[in-house]
Order: sequence, then C-alpha cells, then structure tokens
Amino acid sequence: DTAVSQTPKYLVTQMGNDKSIKCEQNLGHDTMYWYKQDSKKFLKIMFSYNNKELIINETVPNRFSPKSPDKAHLNLHINSLELGDSAVYFCASSQGGHANQPQHFGDGTRLSIL
Amino acid sequence: GENVEQHPSTLSVQEGDSAVIKCTYSDSASNYFPWYKQELGKGPQLIIDIRSNVGEKKDQRIAVTLNKTAKHFSLHITETQPEDSAVYFCAGRSGNTPLVFGKGTRLSVIA
Repeated sequence: DTAVSQTPKYLVTQMGNDKSIKCEQNLGHDTMYWYKQDSKKFLKIMFSYNNKELIINETVPNRFSPKSPDKAHLNLHINSLELGDSAVYFCASSQGGHANQPQHFGDGTRLSIL
Repeated sequence: GENVEQHPSTLSVQEGDSAVIKCTYSDSASNYFPWYKQELGKGPQLIIDIRSNVGEKKDQRIAVTLNKTAKHFSLHITETQPEDSAVYFCAGRSGNTPLVFGKGTRLSVIA
C-alpha cells in the first residue's frame, strides 16, 4: 500500500543515453511533482502538474520531459543524459494544486551517469 | 523569489537532550512552513507543518515555532532518541509558488 512509488530505484547508464523514470501515487491527489536532490542533499523542484497540466517548469533543460497520462502518474523522460544529471530524483504528490497541503514523497531514483 | 536559510548544517546531541534547528525566510508573504525528515535511502517525510496564522504547534516530542516579524521558524525535538538521527529540511512557500527548501541539517543522536 505504498503511497508514492517510483521505478526504478537505481539507474546506471552511459552519457548520451535516453532514460525514463516512472511515478505513481495511490493517494487520490491531483498534483504531482518532480524534484532533484544533488550530492549535497539540496532539494529543488523541477516540475509540477495539476490535473495532468503542467503548472511549474523551473528552468529545467528541455532534455527533461515530464509526461502525465493521468492524475495518478507522472513520468520523467530524460534525453541525451549528461554527467551533471547524476542525482536522486524524487516524485511527490499533494492535493489542491499549490494550496498549503502536505506533499508526500516517493523514495527516490538514484541516477548515475558513467 | 523565496530564499530559505537553514542552520546548523550538522548537529550532534546526546540521547535524551533537545535539538533545535533554525530557518529564516526572505519573502514576507510566505504563509506555509513544513518540516521534513529524510532517512538514508528514503524520501523526505513530513513531520510537522505550521501556517502563518499560528505561532507555535506541537506534536508529542516535536514542536515548531514561527516568528513572522523576524521571518524565522524553528524545529524543536525534545528527549531525542537514536531513531531521530536523519537529515531534516525546513521549507517555505507563499501563495501559489513552489516550496523552497533549506539545505538540510544532519542530526546525529548519540546513544
């Protein structure tokens, strides 16, 4: 009965490859997010979707393309991976757009670029 | 935009002692301040939050205080236990803007 689940947990790949990370939430929330956590543990928002529509894109390179097939899923596709993309990526969800409701995080996907 | 500063970056306390983590924010319109705990290999988990119409909130051993005039808020953990060891993040937001996180505090509780 995991609330926010991400797959895969670990992703090791070569520079230049294209990869996807999947996220699903079973909380019935209408808003989903992608965050990037760098090696110094700094958490920064990348994207936010409300009811399948993009509402935040925080100056993320267009190599990153989120896709939301429905309210319960927000996948992240990354093209032409670079060394600087190595990080832990977290998916999160909340209810009510950017109303002050708690965000629930998944356990992260550790992406390592060789 | 909002900027959230968090101190200290690391904190070690003896089991049973109290721990205090402090954050300041820059946007006076910010009105929501959650605290997250992140254990190794896990995602951040909300432990307590406070809204700007309240000055203090408590949940068992955890309390948060908010000083809107000074634009700072603090997390207090009393009677610390080894399982409190983790990285703690404060965050703030105003209106429809995204949550902005502090840089985290690594808390070590020594048995």
